[in-house]
Amino acid sequence: DGGITQSPKYLFRKEGQNVTLSCEQNLNHDAMYWYRQDPGQGLRLIYYSQIVNDFQKGDIAEGYSVSREKKESFPLTVTSAQKNPTAFYLCASRTGQGSNHPQHFGDGTRLSIL
Amino acid sequence: GENVEQHPSTLSVQEGDSAVIKCTYSDSASNYFPWYKQELGKRPQLIIDIRSNVGEKKDQRIAVTLNKTAKHFSLHITETQPEDSAVYFCAASRGQAAGNKLTFGGGTRVLVKP
Repeated sequence: DGGITQSPKYLFRKEGQNVTLSCEQNLNHDAMYWYRQDPGQGLRLIYYSQIVNDFQKGDIAEGYSVSREKKESFPLTVTSAQKNPTAFYLCASRTGQGSNHPQHFGDGTRLSIL
Repeated sequence: GENVEQHPSTLSVQEGDSAVIKCTYSDSASNYFPWYKQELGKRPQLIIDIRSNVGEKKDQRIAVTLNKTAKHFSLHITETQPEDSAVYFCAASRGQAAGNKLTFGGGTRVLVKP
């Protein structure tokens, strides 16, 4: 999955600060997704976008925001309203709008509170 | 919404033995079921997937079975090797009708003892 790049690899957030996680893909995939993974747990969907300039909330969208201005980019902002942001954040993408194409993941960003 | 439960949460097997992980899902409209393998600190990687019109799929030492009536699906790993040690996640999707979102199980930590 070398075509999905997440940066930075590690990120530290101060109290009251917004931080933005980058996700870029060069696979020409239409759909992109953001997941949060807490230690020892499964992945939970934050936001997803099936097409440029459109996105939908996932199961745990509160305290997060996204944009999809370009097909290849889907940045995630962790706002100060997210009181427990420490987690491993994974971006994924998939091809086409038909059903059942697999999602492929980037290497993730590990976010911690200072 | 969809709920996916995965069992067991940990599984220890002797090298060469088989490992079986089971998942149940709640939404009968789910029609796509991928399995991911995640090594410590790394991205989840797709290892096999199955669609609802198929009851079983095999890829070398890995197989997945699906019982739509009972709403459960299982991952079978035969002739386990130390490199199979990782966390495995199952997931379910309703396909394009629901944005191709994945709902993940809580994961199974597999340890293969040499």
